[in-house]
Amino acid sequence: DIQMTQSPSAMSASVGDRVTITCRASQGISNYLAWFQQKPGKVPKRLIYAASSLQSGVPSRFSGSGSGTEFTLTISSLQPEDFATYYCLQHNSYPFTFGPGTKVDIK
Amino acid sequence: EVQLVQSGAEVKKPGESLKISCKGSGYSFTSYWIGWVRQMPGKGLEWMGIIYPGDSDTRYSPSFQGQVTISADKSISTAYLQWSSLKASDTAMYYCARHKTMDPYDYWGQGTLVTVSS
Repeated sequence: DIQMTQSPSAMSASVGDRVTITCRASQGISNYLAWFQQKPGKVPKRLIYAASSLQSGVPSRFSGSGSGTEFTLTISSLQPEDFATYYCLQHNSYPFTFGPGTKVDIK
Repeated sequence: EVQLVQSGAEVKKPGESLKISCKGSGYSFTSYWIGWVRQMPGKGLEWMGIIYPGDSDTRYSPSFQGQVTISADKSISTAYLQWSSLKASDTAMYYCARHKTMDPYDYWGQGTLVTVSS
């Protein structure tokens, strides 16, 4: 099975900061990676698919990159509504696996 | 408009059985996989398994294989997640989501909260 790790597990950041979250796969997954945002009590929301394709309606401050085993989600200028937990998901092979999550809170 | 509508919250006792549902509308139900995701209180997302309603091809995470059953009735565009004997540790929010290889987990149901308590 493919294991997904995320770093950091949590971070404190300020409005306007550039934020980078890393997701690593235990083996190559090509670009079969998606990123999700989840706020407390809410349904997860897809931000990025195919590692770097921006979901329609998602602000352009969000971007994704990577291929193979290392991927990043970048928020170019953190906004108040971006404080949330972020998860990656590999769907290259079964069983699909989510990363453990990165909680971004206010500094 | 694509929608996945899940059945309502459940409160059950340990040992009881349960089947929760996820009804798709606004798209071709048989052309997308439906996946199930668990989120235990205060924890992360866990991939449980997935079904292709077109031919009922089903895959499970080893962590959930034998613990739950995923099924679908394409005639009513509904996928199911069921337990034969619930445990307190099954207490969680369960989400369904639509999936295609190049369009993964794009639409999600609203979630079904399952509480198992004696």
